[in-house]
Amino acid sequence: DQQVKQNSPSLSVQEGRISILNCDYTNSMFDYFLWYKKYPAEGPTFLISISSIKDKNEDGRFTVFLNKSAKHLSLHIVPSQPGDSAVYFCAASALGNEKLTFGTGTRLTIIP
Amino acid sequence: GAVVSQHPSWVICKSGTSVKIECRSLDFQATTMFWYRQFPKQSLMLMATSNEGSKATYEQGVEKDKFLINHASLTLSTLTVTSAHPEDSSFYICSARDVGQGGNQPQHFGDGTRLSIL
Repeated sequence: DQQVKQNSPSLSVQEGRISILNCDYTNSMFDYFLWYKKYPAEGPTFLISISSIKDKNEDGRFTVFLNKSAKHLSLHIVPSQPGDSAVYFCAASALGNEKLTFGTGTRLTIIP
Repeated sequence: GAVVSQHPSWVICKSGTSVKIECRSLDFQATTMFWYRQFPKQSLMLMATSNEGSKATYEQGVEKDKFLINHASLTLSTLTVTSAHPEDSSFYICSARDVGQGGNQPQHFGDGTRLSIL
């Protein structure tokens, strides 16, 4: 049972444009959501997170949006840069539970 | 920010060998650390939660006698893959959270260990 889903396995975006990565979840107990960036043979690097009490969190070029009613979150990267090319994972945890459930990942390729 | 160090980064060994992987929190104390496994082109799957001073909690389907976890101090957790076989070949990653910061804090990950069993 995949509780966190990233339906797009890959995404290509022109440099300078906006990249939008999507994530859906099914567990209504999730209340904390994170995005991680991962390069091959490396551990994930934390990018940005959002608590369920918010619907938007922004950090530089990265913005995460949360739609609780739709159980959907998205990561916006603008402007996209070649160094953003990586696999992006969304992850979620439930209140009082440190365990993270990861999505399947989306490979983002930024085209120069 | 919180730094998690993992060692070794790459191990190649013969079938039947036991392999120990270390995970250290370098600039914070971690009462809890997490061990994940990632197969090629797949997601990270939580294997177990390592608890300082007590037994680890294993996820369903993970053999605790196969994957021994020891969390002897607030900055070190080890995962030992015992009598490793080719099907244990995978990418193992640990993580920890700096709960000393309060509130919701993200898990920070080590760089992972590529384990190849011949």
